[in-house]
Amino acid sequence: VQLVQSGAEVKKPGASVKVSCTASGYTFTSYDINWVRQATGQGLEWVGGMNPNSDDTASAPKFQGRLTMTRNTSITTAYMELTSLRSEDTAVYYCARADYYSYDAFDIWGQGTVVTVSS
Amino acid sequence: DIQLTQSPSFLSASVGDRVTITCRASQDTNSYLAWYQQKPGKAPKLLIYAASTLQSGVPSRFSGSRSGTEFTLTISSLQREDFATYYCQLLNSFRYTFGGGTKVDIK
Repeated sequence: VQLVQSGAEVKKPGASVKVSCTASGYTFTSYDINWVRQATGQGLEWVGGMNPNSDDTASAPKFQGRLTMTRNTSITTAYMELTSLRSEDTAVYYCARADYYSYDAFDIWGQGTVVTVSS
Repeated sequence: DIQLTQSPSFLSASVGDRVTITCRASQDTNSYLAWYQQKPGKAPKLLIYAASTLQSGVPSRFSGSRSGTEFTLTISSLQREDFATYYCQLLNSFRYTFGGGTKVDIK
């Protein structure tokens, strides 16, 4: 069971970034996929999550309007797109699986994708 | 929105010490509370879910408890591999919130 994320990205302010998260070893549509970010030296921040089966999504209020989460079930991949990037969005972005049987805690994590926003 | 206040932010301890980390919710809540361990450069690792249930494969020296709006992570006898940063996380109304983290360092 694993989640493998796409590689590092460098973007200019105002641009968009799309990070992928490919699942393997389990039934992709049976578990929510969430996104968590961490700026250098800082704590964990929940960005948002989606149900790959229903396509329902939820996100932290601060990202609403800039965040789009999608999935392609045929290739068991989830995507997170963040628009209108600013320097404060520079962080490591993780995808994580929420396990219903563990009270929706995040039991499997991707390796992280470094997103750098710089002019 | 519910806020999680985690304390202390930093603690220095020795191998063999009993360590307690607290996470206080700003209002009464459910028990969808999890604890994670994170080491530098690595993704977090799930230790405990539902406030007190040990994740499979996690050593039994880790335990969790709840008293009202206060949740506690206890490491009964700190081992060298336990020096890391710990986070609590709450799921409420379809949104997740993380505590600010506790870094456990070697005394």
